Amino acid sequence: QLQLQESGPGLVKPSETLSLTCTVSGGSISSSSYYWGWIRQPPGKGLEWIGSIYYSGSTYYNPSLKSRVTISVDTSKNQFSLKLSSVTAADTAVYYCARIRATAMPFDYWGQGTLVTVSS
Amino acid sequence: DIQMTQSPSSLSASVGDRVTITCQASQDISNYLNWYQQKPGKAPKLLIYDASNLETGVPSRFSGSGSGTDFTFTISSLQPEDIATYYCQQYDNLELTFGGGTKVEIK
Repeated sequence: QLQLQESGPGLVKPSETLSLTCTVSGGSISSSSYYWGWIRQPPGKGLEWIGSIYYSGSTYYNPSLKSRVTISVDTSKNQFSLKLSSVTAADTAVYYCARIRATAMPFDYWGQGTLVTVSS
Repeated sequence: DIQMTQSPSSLSASVGDRVTITCQASQDISNYLNWYQQKPGKAPKLLIYDASNLETGVPSRFSGSGSGTDFTFTISSLQPEDIATYYCQQYDNLELTFGGGTKVEIK
């Protein structure tokens, strides 16, 4: 059974860089049938796609976050990572990693999510 | 960017009722539309992909339809365990967008 697990600091200071890693187990991140993505959800609000990556390293970002986001993949560790720079309180959210099917592009497997709070 | 307008934002219905949620895209997205269920404190769960295809293991009371700009998600007979927030999601040229969500409650 595929599992995804987010890891990283739960508290980040304003203006600093948020860094999270998603570890994939039970399947290979190098499969050509899938992309891998990050989604966030501010407390009490809806879902926002942050960006996606293919195992080859090709990336696709939400235009509203593109200037601050970097997503990378480490196939040797079966992991992909998120960096979000210059964070503010508005970046406080539960951050999810997920697998995306290459056809129809649904998020079919999700991590449990990790709350990241931006505060001094 | 393609915007997704989901309505209503919330609804209250009785057990056994038919529930319908709509999602409208700001431009033609063919059938590139997926639906999710999210219960409090949990990650979203995929229910419908490609507008009308039921994900494996999802009860048949859930269904989806539509193409182009207008899409519908239906619960044919609302059950107590269906209390959740439902989201649509589109993909266009590898950019993904979620609708604002519909919170479904029991009357």
